[in-house]
Amino acid sequence: SAVISQKPSRDICQRGTSLTIQCQVDSQVTMMFWYRQQPGQSLTLIATANQGSEATYESGFVIDKFPISRPNLTFSTLTVSNMSPEDSSIYLCSGWTGEKLFFGSGTQLSVL
Amino acid sequence: QKEVEQNSGPLSVPEGAIASLNCTYSDRVSQSFFWYRQYSGKSPELIMSIYSNGDKEDGRFTAQLNKASQYVSLLIRDSQPSDSATYLCAVKERSSASKIIFGSGTRLSIRP
Repeated sequence: SAVISQKPSRDICQRGTSLTIQCQVDSQVTMMFWYRQQPGQSLTLIATANQGSEATYESGFVIDKFPISRPNLTFSTLTVSNMSPEDSSIYLCSGWTGEKLFFGSGTQLSVL
Repeated sequence: QKEVEQNSGPLSVPEGAIASLNCTYSDRVSQSFFWYRQYSGKSPELIMSIYSNGDKEDGRFTAQLNKASQYVSLLIRDSQPSDSATYLCAVKERSSASKIIFGSGTRLSIRP
């Protein structure tokens, strides 16, 4: 089955800074998604990463705060911009093969 | 707004018994249904997918789908302590470009 390499696995950041999370899939996927999971909570979809075009954001998430790139079928980045403590969460990238959705190992972000 | 509902639990089941997890969804056009297992500190992993009404069995796991009633369930037979985890129900629409929405998850605890 396909594997997603996600990095960094964790980071501690200062308020007001930005962090870029990278995901590399070892095979082509039709769709890539970015989710956020706060402690003890389920997965909230941030956006769908579209190849070569702007991402499709869910309600409550905006491009200025969470810019996403997907330059090809196997790579995507999510940037968390101008961070505040409320952005502390686990961020997960995922890929849809056409039959199943699988996940990277996640990035645990703490903002001080 | 499309929703996926699960009881948060915790659901406590004795070892060797059957664990029954339930999920309801609001969007009638949903076509693909998934059960994920998530251990604490880990990413979700796919256990079962189901697309048609009825039962689908895979080892100790059985997924049941009833589209008319808009519910999907997961049965775990001969529950083991290693089954203790959070189980997430996920739903995808028919469209190939549609997103995947997760329920809030049910925390399952298998007691020895």
